[in-house]
Amino acid sequence: KQEVTQIPAALSVPEGENLVLNCSFTDSAIYNLQWFRQDPGKGLTSLLLIQSSQREQTSGRLNASLDKSSGRSTLYIAASQPGDSATYLCVCRRRGGSEKLVFGKGTKLTVNP
Amino acid sequence: EAGVTQSPTHLIKTRGQQATLRCSPISGHTSVYWYQQALGLGLQFLLWYDEGEERNRGNFPPRFSGRQFPNYSSELNVNALELEDSALYLCASSLAFRRETYNSPLHFGNGTRLTVT
Repeated sequence: KQEVTQIPAALSVPEGENLVLNCSFTDSAIYNLQWFRQDPGKGLTSLLLIQSSQREQTSGRLNASLDKSSGRSTLYIAASQPGDSATYLCVCRRRGGSEKLVFGKGTKLTVNP
Repeated sequence: EAGVTQSPTHLIKTRGQQATLRCSPISGHTSVYWYQQALGLGLQFLLWYDEGEERNRGNFPPRFSGRQFPNYSSELNVNALELEDSALYLCASSLAFRRETYNSPLHFGNGTRLTVT
């Protein structure tokens, strides 16, 4: 059974700071890992998808890395802005599994101006 | 290209009633997932449909049910509503679950906010 953990649960940083969000998963037999952001009361917006054969993916100020052997992914946000304030979630798509797509509980990020 | 659309945006029901929530996936997507997100809690998996068939369901009572139509849109039904069913219900879609499309990303709609009074 896949379990996904995100640490920290909440993070508050001043504008301009570089930061790292963490996602850990227990079953390394995955096809990919996807990062999302969720604004309050809204749906999830896809940020990055990193395949199991890849080590990292980049989009603008975001960089996601994947270490399948250790069951970890990180989302690096460079030069954070107040508009980055949201909850960030990760989800793994498992190989040969039940396709329940288990999500972590998320990291709530606040970027203070 | 239109994204995943969900209707209604908000739904208010009283305890014991039934609620029907609808989801239209992105064109070409045949997999639809339903999640419940209660206030302050994480996303809880409800149902997964792929090419018209129910492939899996989460740990929810049978009064949570759904279906997928031939055009791949989907409906979630909640019978005998209880106060604790109040939540944001999110639908997501992706390409069919096949070897060549395992790495297609998941896309979410904006959700239906269900309030049970």
